[in-house]
This record gives sequence, structure tokens and C-alpha cells, in this order.
Amino acid sequence: EPEVTQTPSHQVTQMGQEVILRCVPISNHLYFYWYRQILGQKVEFLVSFYNNEISEKSEIFDDQFSVERPDGSNFTLKIRSTKLEDSAMYFCASGGQAPYNEQFFGPGTRLTVL
Amino acid sequence: DQQVKQNSPSLSVQEGRISILNCDYTNSMFDYFLWYKKYPAEGPTFLISISSIKDKNEDGRFTVFLNKSAKHLSLHIVPSQPGDSAVYFCAASDSNTGNQFYFGTGTSLTVIP
Repeated sequence: EPEVTQTPSHQVTQMGQEVILRCVPISNHLYFYWYRQILGQKVEFLVSFYNNEISEKSEIFDDQFSVERPDGSNFTLKIRSTKLEDSAMYFCASGGQAPYNEQFFGPGTRLTVL
Repeated sequence: DQQVKQNSPSLSVQEGRISILNCDYTNSMFDYFLWYKKYPAEGPTFLISISSIKDKNEDGRFTVFLNKSAKHLSLHIVPSQPGDSAVYFCAASDSNTGNQFYFGTGTSLTVIP
């Protein structure tokens, strides 16, 4: 069964460093998402991506964040200068033809900023 | 801004009994709702959805009920099984403004064998 994969499973970085979190969505999906979950808190929407551009983003997704689909298969989230409060689980998700179909989530990347 | 609330952080149910997980929302424009299940160290897994044109959607042991006037939805699991033990999140979206989903804080369900 197709699944969303994410790498790495755990990323440790120093404050101020850039990180890139990688995701491989399900191959025939057209909608891509990033969410994060700070430990003990709710899952928060970051950004959605469709047709090679951002379709929606939350207040969390500021200028420090960017997304890219560089090669038609990978979907990346870049944080330019990490802060301590960026420490969280980051989930990638993809969805099928309509934006309101169910989203399939990857296993997440745990980002720890020291 | 808690637009979606799950007021019960945890719930314990005996195997075979019904589990009822509740979710309240504040935005009357929300018209699409989903439930996700999440095991530790895994991403959320889609369970069931409902649009605002319906008040009930059923899929096997899982039924979601939507009460628009009360801005309340619930997930019923019958019969509950030990493998259902997980954190359950509800999520809501206003399809007219975009595809951003707002998640509740989750309810941890424990099904006791």
C-alpha cells in the first residue's frame, strides 16, 4: 500500500542553523501539506501546496519557512534559521484529487533545536 | 485560538463497549470534518470524514455524528477493541476559504481488555 515517507526520522540542530525536512508523498497525489506538533500540544497546520505553489499557509509559516517540490517526487520543508521553539514533530501529508479528501500522513520528523 | 476543542484528554473503555469521543468547534463556517487516529511515533491515520450536508457517516465500527446547531461532532467506536487504543484527533475545515485544517488537541483512548 502506498505511503508517505519522511526523512530523517530525527534531526538535531543548533539554534540558527538551517534544516531541510524531506518528504516523499504518495505518487499520484496532487496536494501536499506540512503540519507540526509541539510536544504535548495539538497538531498545527503549516502550509499546503498544489500545482507547484503554496495554496495556503498559517501564521506559523513565516519568512523563515519555505517549501519546495524540487524534482516532482520530493516535497521539502526548509527552516532557514532555527529557533528553540521550532522543536517539534513535523508531519508531511498528501492528498488525492480534491483538497478535501483525506490526507495521508507520514511518520514525522522529530526536530530538536539546541 | 482554539477553533476546535476536544475537552476530554483521555478516555478508558472496556473491550466490547462503545467508545464515544467528542469534539466541539467554534467556527460556524466549518463544513468538513475528519477524525484521525495516532499511535505513538507514527503520523496521524485518517479514520472517517463527514461534510456538513450530512449528520451521520458510518464506516464499519466507526460512526461520526455531526450536530451543526450545537457545533459538535462525535466519533463512536462499536465495539471497542484493544487495538483502538490511540490518540484521536478531530479536524475541521472551511472549504470555501481554503484547505487549512484545524486540529483539536486529541483524546487518548485506552481500551481495556
